[in-house]
Amino acid sequence: QSVLTQPPSVSAAPGQKVTISCSGNRANIANNYVSWYQQLPGTAPRLLIYDNNKRPSGIPDRFSGSKSGTSATLGITGLQTGDEADYYCGTWDNSLSEVVFGGGTKLTVL
Amino acid sequence: EVQLVESGGGLVQPGGSLRLSCAASGFTFSTSWMHWVRQGPGKGLAWVSRIKGDGSSTAYADSVKGRFTISRDNAKNTLYLQMNSLRAEDTAVYYCAREICVNGPCYSDAFDIWGQGTMVTVSS
Repeated sequence: QSVLTQPPSVSAAPGQKVTISCSGNRANIANNYVSWYQQLPGTAPRLLIYDNNKRPSGIPDRFSGSKSGTSATLGITGLQTGDEADYYCGTWDNSLSEVVFGGGTKLTVL
Repeated sequence: EVQLVESGGGLVQPGGSLRLSCAASGFTFSTSWMHWVRQGPGKGLAWVSRIKGDGSSTAYADSVKGRFTISRDNAKNTLYLQMNSLRAEDTAVYYCAREICVNGPCYSDAFDIWGQGTMVTVSS
């Protein structure tokens, strides 16, 4: 069971927008930065968002992040079939003194 | 080219040991915080360990504390993970990853460079 809670799956049509939630508590999300990763099948994760809402170089602005209290959200607009992947949130947990991840959300672009 | 390449994975019996390596290139390895993250078959990501650029500070997940040791050789641009007393639940793909630093600040939960991963299977 993961420290951070994500929905197991989400789906949307091409061109539409989807959001993925990540729920934690005061020991983790509320008091630390949140990052988001995309993992295509059979590949290593790729960093999409860090510091709650910043994109590394090369990440399109179709991807966005936000945080409020003990929850964070990843938004993806203009969905493409190539966006089908597993998405993970991550943050530091002050109680565990570890990096913790969500269980992952599988995105299906219908 | 910025790159991390892991090696050293394989099949090991329960209670056995294995040492993973991660060769870095294309960036200043000696000043980078480095991490190990693993992913069990069909499972999500799990953080394992981290080490400061000069090797002076390390941290471990509770699940591996006392059994795994992270280290680095900055002269060889190589990160290591020594894994002892291996258990079936340690079976996973092990990734090394670099912690992102942007204009000074570093983010301990954000990894911008990942290796391709190396598979560790613990089974009799």
